[in-house]
Amino acid sequence: NAGVMQNPRHLVRRRGQEARLRCSPMKGHSHVYWYRQLPEEGLKFMVYLQKENIIDESGMPKERFSAEFPKEGPSILRIQQVVRGDSAAYFCASSPQGKRVGLGDTEAFFGQGTRLTVV
Amino acid sequence: DQQVKQNSPSLSVQEGRISILNCDYTNSMFDYFLWYKKYPAEGPTFLISISSIKDKNEDGRFTVFLNKSAKHLSLHIVPSQPGDSAVYFCAASESGGSNYKLTFGKGTLLTVNP
Repeated sequence: NAGVMQNPRHLVRRRGQEARLRCSPMKGHSHVYWYRQLPEEGLKFMVYLQKENIIDESGMPKERFSAEFPKEGPSILRIQQVVRGDSAAYFCASSPQGKRVGLGDTEAFFGQGTRLTVV
Repeated sequence: DQQVKQNSPSLSVQEGRISILNCDYTNSMFDYFLWYKKYPAEGPTFLISISSIKDKNEDGRFTVFLNKSAKHLSLHIVPSQPGDSAVYFCAASESGGSNYKLTFGKGTLLTVNP
């Protein structure tokens, strides 16, 4: 899973600021997923993107959160006007296909995460 | 509304013994189950999976058992090693168009003592 690169690893923001989290998928992977892990919780699905397309954003809060995966460059998860409740670890995963992650060559590999702290 | 439950937040075992981690689920649409291992400050790493058409899958020291009628699965690690100490997450996905989406439990912290 070292192939999925997330940066920064740690991000501290004051309430009201913007947070930008970046994810570069593994080489050859065109499918990106973002998950959030709140303290003492499991990972929760936020959004699934392919290049230039948002496929499923059902897990993303309707306000202040947005995600993109441009034709060139990393996927970006953007959180505007951060609040204390946004403090969490944000994980990105990538896969070569968008089906049945965990099965053979459709395994999704996770990055090391970005730990966001809102003060 | 937790669809995947790991009721034991932590488990401690001696090196060389068996570790058994449990997971229950409530969503009947889940048909594929996975276990991930996570070290501190790292991302989850895929460990082993099982399809609902099977009741057992084995990979080296790791075996996953699935009891569909009880909506229960377990991960057995034999023999346990100190390097196995980590948080283990159970995850599941549904059949159909959203099968890329994983639903995770809260995790169980396994400590293997030398």
